[in-house]
Amino acid sequence: SQQGEEDPQALSIQEGENATMNCSYKTSINNLQWYRQNSGRGLVHLILIRSNEREKHSGRLRVTLDTSKKSSSLLITASRAADTASYFCATEGNSGYSTLTFGKGTMLLVSP
Amino acid sequence: NAGVTQTPKFQVLKTGQSMTLQCAQDMNHEYMSWYRQDPGMGLRLIHYSVGAGITDQGEVPNGYNVSRSTTEDFPLRLLSAAPSQTSVYFCASSKQGGGNGYTFGSGTRLTVV
Repeated sequence: SQQGEEDPQALSIQEGENATMNCSYKTSINNLQWYRQNSGRGLVHLILIRSNEREKHSGRLRVTLDTSKKSSSLLITASRAADTASYFCATEGNSGYSTLTFGKGTMLLVSP
Repeated sequence: NAGVTQTPKFQVLKTGQSMTLQCAQDMNHEYMSWYRQDPGMGLRLIHYSVGAGITDQGEVPNGYNVSRSTTEDFPLRLLSAAPSQTSVYFCASSKQGGGNGYTFGSGTRLTVV
């Protein structure tokens, strides 16, 4: 069963605008990760935030985590056409070795 | 480094045929996993391994077998292909602790007719 649920399912913006995607999950986690998938390609790891962290930055990416609400958000600032892709959140549980459980993804379209 | 290499990239099977999807990584990662991706379903875990000789089932293991005889290789076997196994299959690996996230292969697109 899916652990994470991304919102919105699809997002269309213009270049230069910011894009925000949200993820909700159901059970306690060790960390939450965001991945990007370009059409027809494999997934690329973007950023990992641990359960004891509230915010993390990497270049134009900003991730927040609210464990009390079991939710996370991914902000991409100053979007570019090359950011067009599907974005997935994935959670890793906190019981020994836990696998990644993925949401269904947000499809982002950035128009020039 | 090549990262995670999956072969083949595309495959068409007839119902009832068997085949092996290959996955190899050269990063000395302990953990390896197989996922399938279907439209609108995200990625679902099939099988995973935490080290050579150790495997376990994921969310959707039926119809698939795995083995892990070496750290580098983690093949996925389809025993008797069914149309429901038409999907894109991804292999992924990570270091123990997973602090740097998972590295994914480029996928195998499988069609069962």
